[in-house]
Amino acid sequence: DGGITQSPKYLFRKEGQNVTLSCEQNLNHDAMYWYRQDPGQGLRLIYYSQIVNDFQKGDIAEGYSVSREKKESFPLTVTSAQKNPTAFYLCASSLRQGDDEQFFGPGTRLTVL
Amino acid sequence: AQSVSQHNHHVILSEAASLELGCNYSYGGTVNLFWYVQYPGQHLQLLLKYFSGDPLVKGIKGFEAEFIKSKFSFNLRKPSVQWSDTAEYFCAVNGWDNDMRFGAGTRLTVKP
Repeated sequence: DGGITQSPKYLFRKEGQNVTLSCEQNLNHDAMYWYRQDPGQGLRLIYYSQIVNDFQKGDIAEGYSVSREKKESFPLTVTSAQKNPTAFYLCASSLRQGDDEQFFGPGTRLTVL
Repeated sequence: AQSVSQHNHHVILSEAASLELGCNYSYGGTVNLFWYVQYPGQHLQLLLKYFSGDPLVKGIKGFEAEFIKSKFSFNLRKPSVQWSDTAEYFCAVNGWDNDMRFGAGTRLTVKP
C-alpha cells in the first residue's frame, strides 16, 4: 500500500522541549515537504527537500529543523525557539520538486502545554 | 509579494445547489494550478490540476475549474453539490519560485 505516514497523530509537549515529528513515504518520490496548517491561514511551507542530504527553508522555517538522510524519511524537529508551535503539521511528497502534484500524509496535531 | 487568495472563508449551500469557489493569484508568469480537498478526518487530496492546454479542466467527483489568465483566476465549480462534498477546499499555485503556495482555504458545508 503506497503512501505517506506520519506519526504520531496527536502529540503533547511541555513548553521548552524539542519534539520530532516523523514522516515516511514509500512512493519513491524525490521531493518531500513540511507544511503547517493553521485555521484561516491555509498551508504554509516550513522546509522542503529535493533530494537526499539536501533541504531548503520555506516561508516559516524559524524554530524548525529537518534532516533527509534517507529518501523515504523526512523528520521535522520543532525546537524550543519556535514561538507558537501548537498547530497541525502536514508532510507531503512529490515525484520531483516543483510542478508535480503533491501527496499528503494524515498530519500530526502538536499541542504545546 | 506573490500570493494566492480565496475569496470565501465559509460557504453554506443546500444539496443540489451550484457551487463556485473563487481563487486568484498574483503572478504574471507561467503557473501550474491545483485544487485540493480535505474531507473531514481525511488526507488532503488532489481534486484537479492545470498545467497547460484546455483552460477548462475536469477533476474527480464532478468538479471542474477554469483558468482565466487575464483575470489571474482559477475558480472551482460544480453544478450540483451533494452532502458528501462538505469539506475544506484549497487552491494552490506553483510558479514564481517553484514552490507550491496555498490559499487560506474555503470551508464548504452542504446541508442535506
